[in-house]
Amino acid sequence: QSVLTQPPSVSAAPGQKVTISCSGSSSNIGNNYVFWYQQFPGTAPKLLIYENNKRPSGIPDRFSGSKSGTSATLGITGLQTGDEADYYCGSWDRSLSAVVFGGGTKLTVL
Amino acid sequence: EVQLVESGGGLVQPGRSLRLSCTASGFIFGDYAMSWVRQAPGKGLEWVGFIRSKASGGTTDYAASVKGRFIISRDDSKTIAYLQMNSLKTEDTAVYYCARDGPWYDYWGQGTLVTVSS
Repeated sequence: QSVLTQPPSVSAAPGQKVTISCSGSSSNIGNNYVFWYQQFPGTAPKLLIYENNKRPSGIPDRFSGSKSGTSATLGITGLQTGDEADYYCGSWDRSLSAVVFGGGTKLTVL
Repeated sequence: EVQLVESGGGLVQPGRSLRLSCTASGFIFGDYAMSWVRQAPGKGLEWVGFIRSKASGGTTDYAASVKGRFIISRDDSKTIAYLQMNSLKTEDTAVYYCARDGPWYDYWGQGTLVTVSS
C-alpha cells in the first residue's frame, strides 16, 4: 500500500487531455513539493515535473503539474501514443522522514 | 553530460550481503546528495535511502524496510556512491537505481538487478 494514492490506470484518445491525480496528507504533499516521473518499460524513470509545477529543460509544455492542499495533479495535453508509460508522483514525508511515491498510473493512449 | 552507472547486482542467497556501486560523471559529485530507489518486478518505485553531500553533513536516511540492514556511503574522490546490502531477504529482489538528488531526481542510472533467492 503506497503512502501516496494514484489511480492504477487512465486512458484517453490521441490529441485529448488526461489528468492523473495523486493524493497524500499534510505529512507529505500538504507541506512539501511534489515530483512526477515518467517510466517506459525496462527503462529508468525520467523527471517530468519538480517543485509541484516546474518542468526540467526538454520537457514539453504539454506536461503540467499542480498542487492543491494534500493533492496534486499531472496534466498531459495533446496526447500522443508515445506518451504511453507509467507515471509516478513523489514527495518527502516529514513524519516518515522518507521519500514516498504513489503506486504509479499506467497511461494508455487509445 | 551527466552519467550514473550502477554495478554490482546479481544473484545472492537470502541472508548474504551485496554491495552496489553508482559511478557518477559529468557533474561535481561532491555537491549533490545521492539517492537509491528500487523497483521490484512488476511493481512501483520504492525509495531506499539517500546520503547528503559532505557540505550538508554527509548523513543518511533510510526507508523503514531497509533500516539497520542497508548502508549508503560515498567516496567523493572517486565519484562513487555505494549501497551495502546486508541480511538480504527475498523481498529485496528488485532493480536498484541510483539518482542524483538535487532534491529532485533529475538524473538516474540504468539500474542493476538484484535477485535474492536460494
